[in-house]
Amino acid sequence: GESVGLHLPTLSVQEGDNSIINCAYSNSASDYFIWYKKESGKGPQFIIDIRSNMDKRQGQRVTVLLNKTVKHLSLQIAATQPGDSAVYFCAENILIQGAQKLVFGQGTRLTINP
Amino acid sequence: GAGVSQTPSNKVTEKGKYVELRCDPISGHTALYWYRQSLGQGPEFLIYFQGTGAADDSGLPNDRFFAVRPEGSVSTLKIQRTERGDSAVYLCASSPGGAGHNEQFFGPGTRLTVL
Repeated sequence: GESVGLHLPTLSVQEGDNSIINCAYSNSASDYFIWYKKESGKGPQFIIDIRSNMDKRQGQRVTVLLNKTVKHLSLQIAATQPGDSAVYFCAENILIQGAQKLVFGQGTRLTINP
Repeated sequence: GAGVSQTPSNKVTEKGKYVELRCDPISGHTALYWYRQSLGQGPEFLIYFQGTGAADDSGLPNDRFFAVRPEGSVSTLKIQRTERGDSAVYLCASSPGGAGHNEQFFGPGTRLTVL
């Protein structure tokens, strides 16, 4: 079936430290994954994406790793800042006959401690 | 430029009432999506429009839920005979459309509370 899940619902790190958020997915045919950041009162905000023909992609302070063998995604945030506090969701973008939809995980709440 | 907007931002209603939630997508985006986020969960897909037509409505939970996009721009999600379990944040997203994967841009959501 289609499902995307997260290992840890909450994560607290000290400001300036690195954080890693993990996600498992079950649809081995999925070929596109996205990480979203959600702050209270705002819609999900795109952070970074990765296609299944890659195992790593880097952005500004963020890195996404994809392990297709074990169907696992991770989001690494370097040198965390207070503004990184939010709920982070991984999502699978599923294409069916030209129509697409996102299947989200439960989310991990990241708290950055000063 | 203007992003996706949703109105109202909050809606409180009584069980059994009818509600309408509005989504204004980014201008020129042909694809529009509705998702529902219940407390402690990730957003769940409800329906996807390509232009005026619903290309995929497989996520609508039952026939009390209906959505329209008559002119291929603004969309309205309609919920009849609301139940307490309908309480959630309803998110709308739009994307340029076209073949392949397209980034979806989300609005701030409408928080629906059914008393």
